[in-house]
Amino acid sequence: KNQVEQSPQSLIILEGKNCTLQCNYTVSPFSNLRWYKQDTGRGPVSLTIMTFSENTKSNGRYTATLDADTKQSSLHITASQLSDSASYICVVSRSNNDMRFGAGTRLTVKP
Amino acid sequence: DSGVTQTPKHLITATGQRVTLRCSPRSGDLSVYWYQQSLDQGLQFLIQYYNGEERAKGNILERFSAQQFPDLHSELNLSSLELGDSALYFCASSVGAAYNEQFFGPGTRLTVL
Repeated sequence: KNQVEQSPQSLIILEGKNCTLQCNYTVSPFSNLRWYKQDTGRGPVSLTIMTFSENTKSNGRYTATLDADTKQSSLHITASQLSDSASYICVVSRSNNDMRFGAGTRLTVKP
Repeated sequence: DSGVTQTPKHLITATGQRVTLRCSPRSGDLSVYWYQQSLDQGLQFLIQYYNGEERAKGNILERFSAQQFPDLHSELNLSSLELGDSALYFCASSVGAAYNEQFFGPGTRLTVL
């Protein structure tokens, strides 16, 4: 209960290709869901924040979707670049601001 | 650069010791969050302060404590350190108490020998 699971654990793609990362959660009661990008050894950077009523949000080449009924979210990266190589972390907050973190997906973009 | 500063950048200490990590939030941000990230655990939320008051508590050990001062900077105190406390400690800040974008600092890498 109150878990966040991300898949795949790691992913390797070629530069220019698209990819989709998954986040499934059982966190309840739900407040919001965030996607972060974290370069190795650096602090995470926020990509998107979505509440219950939002089902899609974009930030440049990053598009997050949320299905609150099935408790699933995805992060789609379009036309990947070498600089997209990083860990992508899904964070789901409960109504009391208690945050639950996924283990992250490690993305490697190769030339 | 997120505008959040953390000191020190690196800290090496021995088991049983006590250390203090410091965080200065972005100008105008009232909330400060502390996180721990170890290799085998991923990111874990420790505690949040909003305008000087504790707002939310996560997986913070009793050996750890934090506070936010009137000038809004925050300190995380870690005592009776154990080898397993070795990790990256991040501070983040946001404008409000909830549902706001959080801006992370560069982190403090703590090594307990």
